[in-house]
Amino acid sequence: GQQVMQIPQYQHVQEGEDFTTYCNSSTTLSNIQWYKQRPGGHPVFLIQLVKSGEVKKQKRLTFQFGEAKKNSSLHITATQTTDVGTYFCAGYKFSGGYNKLIFGAGTRLAVHP
Amino acid sequence: DADVTQTPRNRITKTGKRIMLECSQTKGHDRMYWYRQDPGLGLRLIYYSFDVKDINKGEISDGYSVSRQAQAKFSLSLESAIPNQTALYFCATSGASAYEQYFGPGTRLTVT
Repeated sequence: GQQVMQIPQYQHVQEGEDFTTYCNSSTTLSNIQWYKQRPGGHPVFLIQLVKSGEVKKQKRLTFQFGEAKKNSSLHITATQTTDVGTYFCAGYKFSGGYNKLIFGAGTRLAVHP
Repeated sequence: DADVTQTPRNRITKTGKRIMLECSQTKGHDRMYWYRQDPGLGLRLIYYSFDVKDINKGEISDGYSVSRQAQAKFSLSLESAIPNQTALYFCATSGASAYEQYFGPGTRLTVT
C-alpha cells in the first residue's frame, strides 16, 4: 500500500493566496524529492532534501524536511496561474539492498485568477 | 524532456491483445524505470533496471514484463491486456541511486 501519504488531494486557491502540501511517511526516508506535473505533462524534478530539518527555497517555493526525516512540506507564497499542476513528493527508502523512490499520491493545485 | 522518449504516445487496444510500450533515452543513464499513473494513486513502480543485466520487479509487476535491450532502451509489455491496465505509463531514468529521475512524456493506454 501507499507508504508515503500526501495531503490534501486537491486544493483550489485564488491567485495571490498561499498554498501548502504535506507529505508524511510511516518510516524514515533517506531523502525526499518534489516533482511538479503540469496538466497533460510529465513529472518534472523540483528539488531534493537530504538533511534532517533542511529548508530550501526556490523563489516563491519553500521546501522543508522534518527533523525525523518522516515528513516534508512544500509552501508556495502568493500563487500564480503558472503554479497550476500536481505536486508530488517522493521519498527514497532503503529496502532490499536498493534505494527505492516511493511517490505520494500528489496534490492537485488549481489557481483561479 | 526530449532526452527521454516514449512510443507510442497514445494507444487503444482490446482485451487480450499483446502490447509493447517503448522507451529510449539519450542521457547516458544506467537506471531506467516504468511507472503507472492512475488518478488519485500517484505514480506506482512497475519494473526497474539498474543496468542491462539487472531487472527488478516493482510494487505492481503482475501482468507486465520488461526487456532492457540496451543501456538506452527499456520496453514494457502487457502480454494479455485487460481493462484495468488502462492508465498513463511513464518511463524514467536516473544517473544513480537517490538521484533525481527524468521522465518521458508518457503513453496513454486504453484497453477496451
